[in-house]
Amino acid sequence: AQSVAQPEDQVNVAEGNPLTVKCTYSVSGNPYLFWYVQYPNRGLQFLLKYITGDNLVKGSYGFEAEFNKSQTSFHLKKPSALVSDSALYFCAVSWRGNTPLVFGKGTRLSVIA
Amino acid sequence: EADIYQTPRYLVIGTGKKITLECSQTMGHDKMYWYQQDPGMELHLIHYSYGVNSTEKGDLSSESTVSRIRTEHFPLTLESARPSHTSQYLCASSDPTGGFEQFFGPGTRLTVL
Repeated sequence: AQSVAQPEDQVNVAEGNPLTVKCTYSVSGNPYLFWYVQYPNRGLQFLLKYITGDNLVKGSYGFEAEFNKSQTSFHLKKPSALVSDSALYFCAVSWRGNTPLVFGKGTRLSVIA
Repeated sequence: EADIYQTPRYLVIGTGKKITLECSQTMGHDKMYWYQQDPGMELHLIHYSYGVNSTEKGDLSSESTVSRIRTEHFPLTLESARPSHTSQYLCASSDPTGGFEQFFGPGTRLTVL
């Protein structure tokens, strides 16, 4: 069975500091991994994905994530946080893209000026 | 412009009413999904479809039904609404021949009194 864990309900970071939002997954075979962001009263917006290839993937708004197979992790990172990055972040996994996405419980990121 | 639409955006109704939440996409995607998002942020897959005349139940069917008569349209029906159905409902679609990521609509916030 596929599962995703986001161990932190809330992450607080000062503006200009680097940020990390953690995600670990459990899926047999090759995982397809995704990050989404949700702003208040909106649907989810796609940020980035890992399908295959380079373990470091870059996405929208300066975000990046590193796929680590040995640690079954796919942490989201940004070198310098902005107040406008404050939102809900969801990690998701699918088995080879053939199954519906399984989402983590979400992490609320708060960037403080 | 290719997009995914949901109507209504907000709905307040009484217990026992039958309601249909609309979802349409103009991207020609075969795969479509309905999620329920509770106030604690977590997303639950309710139903999904891999094409016309194909529907499957997700982890949380929530006493609702769906239909997929046309590729672009995937409505969700609650036969008898209850206060426990109060939630945000998100529709999404994806293209399995493309990048596998899901594109989300803006959501319908339902309140059942």
